[in-house]
Amino acid sequence: GESVGLHLPTLSVQEGDNSIINCAYSNSASDYFIWYKQESGKGPQFIIDIRSNMDKRQGQRVTVLLNKTVKHLSLQIAATQPGDSAVYFCAETMEYGNKLVFGAGTILRVKS
Amino acid sequence: NAGVTQTPKFQVLKTGQSMTLQCAQDMNHEYMSWYRQDPGMGLRLIHYSVGAGITDQGEVPNGYNVSRSTTEDFPLRLLSAAPSQTSVYFCASSLARIPRSTDTQYFGPGTRLTVL
Repeated sequence: GESVGLHLPTLSVQEGDNSIINCAYSNSASDYFIWYKQESGKGPQFIIDIRSNMDKRQGQRVTVLLNKTVKHLSLQIAATQPGDSAVYFCAETMEYGNKLVFGAGTILRVKS
Repeated sequence: NAGVTQTPKFQVLKTGQSMTLQCAQDMNHEYMSWYRQDPGMGLRLIHYSVGAGITDQGEVPNGYNVSRSTTEDFPLRLLSAAPSQTSVYFCASSLARIPRSTDTQYFGPGTRLTVL
């Protein structure tokens, strides 16, 4: 809901434009990363993942880029639509580990 | 197939009251977990279960109890509510402790709890 979004960075984009959402992760040993989408009033939804042996992975309209040198992930959404408006956050873990560490997220607002 | 259901959707408690947040899944997932989500922060793991009869503590377990008597249900109990427990609570179920793809992990819709 709205209270979750307090103090989060916000990205506003025009419908049809591409969006780029960034995430800095904390543990250099992390080797598996997930992006989640959370719409207002709903639980998070797993949208795409990437392993550390890759630097790019593409899904349907979404692409995740991984830069291990600077511990940075980005999520690119092509041709952003109003239905993409949500909070997006990344999670990191070691693939054979036992704990997901979640980032706080970024609010994406799509203007029609 | 309802996925993960949580009840209630909203709850207001007074300090010191106890209550149980319900979580159920119908996907036969072994792994279930409870998270809390606070403004400006990432999800934090409270407790988790790797199967019926097995539970363990997560990152922020104090003030909460869980049990897992069946595969389907994983209730979260607040023993004596405190204002610091005001949060949105999410239950999740997955095929494995770390999900591997988009169809292996599901979150419930959340319970918004306010403790006065």
